Amino acid sequence: GQNIDQPTEMTATEGAIVQINCTYQTSGFNGLFWYQQHAGEAPTFLSYNVLDGLEEKGRFSSFLSRSKGYSYLLLKELQMKDSASYLCAVRDSNYQLIWGAGTKLIIKP
Amino acid sequence: SAVISQKPSRDICQRGTSLTIQCQVDSQVTMMFWYRQQPGQSLTLIATANQGSEATYESGFVIDKFPISRPNLTFSTLTVSNMSPEDSSIYLCSVEGTESSYNEQFFGPGTRLTVL
Repeated sequence: GQNIDQPTEMTATEGAIVQINCTYQTSGFNGLFWYQQHAGEAPTFLSYNVLDGLEEKGRFSSFLSRSKGYSYLLLKELQMKDSASYLCAVRDSNYQLIWGAGTKLIIKP
Repeated sequence: SAVISQKPSRDICQRGTSLTIQCQVDSQVTMMFWYRQQPGQSLTLIATANQGSEATYESGFVIDKFPISRPNLTFSTLTVSNMSPEDSSIYLCSVEGTESSYNEQFFGPGTRLTVL
């Protein structure tokens, strides 16, 4: 079966750095997405990786290792507004998006 | 990016009734998707709404329970039929972007459904 694993919840301190991991087992791979979802709101797109390596976008970076079936989202200089759920999603060989359950990130002052 | 609106934003319904959710996009799109998200859980794809043909349903979802209409390239409806408390969830409409090479999905604000 297809599976995406993410930690259920993480806590970090304002101003610090946090890394949210995602491991996947899918039938084929056509890219990995990270989305941010604030409570009661729709998910919004953060990043996309299809090749191995690190993609940096401001305070957020996303890393991919296809051989290990592994990705992480790195958030720097954390702000209170970064408190949200972070969803990892993989596009499989049928072009279907397989979603993880999301990681709830709690930022403390 | 696409701007998506959904109506209603929330509703409380009685068991056995039906609710139709509307999704409007500000641009023409080929495919529209309907998801369900239960509290603390991942997004589950219900079906893909294709303009001019029947929707394609995922395993575990059937047309009689979740009929979908797609009359044009900017609009779709999802009906939740003969509702039970297990249907209480957030229902999200989404489309794929066309400006980037990776077709990220854009989501509507969601419809929060509570069935009593």
